[in-house]
Amino acid sequence: EADIYQTPRYLVIGTGKKITLECSQTMGHDKMYWYQQDPGMELHLIHYSYGVNSTEKGDLSSESTVSRIRTEHFPLTLESARPSHTSQYLCASSEEGGQGGLSYEQYFGPGTRLTVT
Amino acid sequence: KNQVEQSPQSLIILEGKNCTLQCNYTVSPFSNLRWYKQDTGRGPVSLTIMTFSENTKSNGRYTATLDADTKQSSLHITASQLSDSASYICVVGDRGSTLGRLYFGRGTQLTVWP
Repeated sequence: EADIYQTPRYLVIGTGKKITLECSQTMGHDKMYWYQQDPGMELHLIHYSYGVNSTEKGDLSSESTVSRIRTEHFPLTLESARPSHTSQYLCASSEEGGQGGLSYEQYFGPGTRLTVT
Repeated sequence: KNQVEQSPQSLIILEGKNCTLQCNYTVSPFSNLRWYKQDTGRGPVSLTIMTFSENTKSNGRYTATLDADTKQSSLHITASQLSDSASYICVVGDRGSTLGRLYFGRGTQLTVWP
């Protein structure tokens, strides 16, 4: 079983509040990712990191921000939550992978179900 | 445009029966194809990963096939169990970037009835 953790698992919060979703992994992986998933829809990459002090935006535009100060920790922050941010947020990590047909395992956390009222 | 299409969208089968889920993709250049199982309210868990040189891989009662020429994959589940009820997601990786970008299908929602 993957050693990747997310807290909280469920969060209901009012519009305008600042929130931080926590993600931690104990596998020493350099690469970490944040995905957003709505019911019945595919996962969309919103942020990723190659390692400490590296953060990049993903395919889906998001008003959230991330930081990577420690290898094991990759928190996601929303400065002012809105109802449109209601979704499931999944964190993942992987070993160093690359091109040329190399396959790498991507491990997912249990997710945070966010509801903004 | 890189896409991953899965069929059927949902499927109901009786416990003990077999089923096959389909995946078609247009991702290029192709690196690998994986099948994930996602239980409701949980994160996806990897079942199989195949590179372009592999055309079949098994994990217990799950067997995945890959035809890189036709860009199709299938996941066959044998002797289904109630615990197989979940969403099964086909994911294709490209090798056109250092990130190894993954493209996700919307999943097939499988329900196994007793």
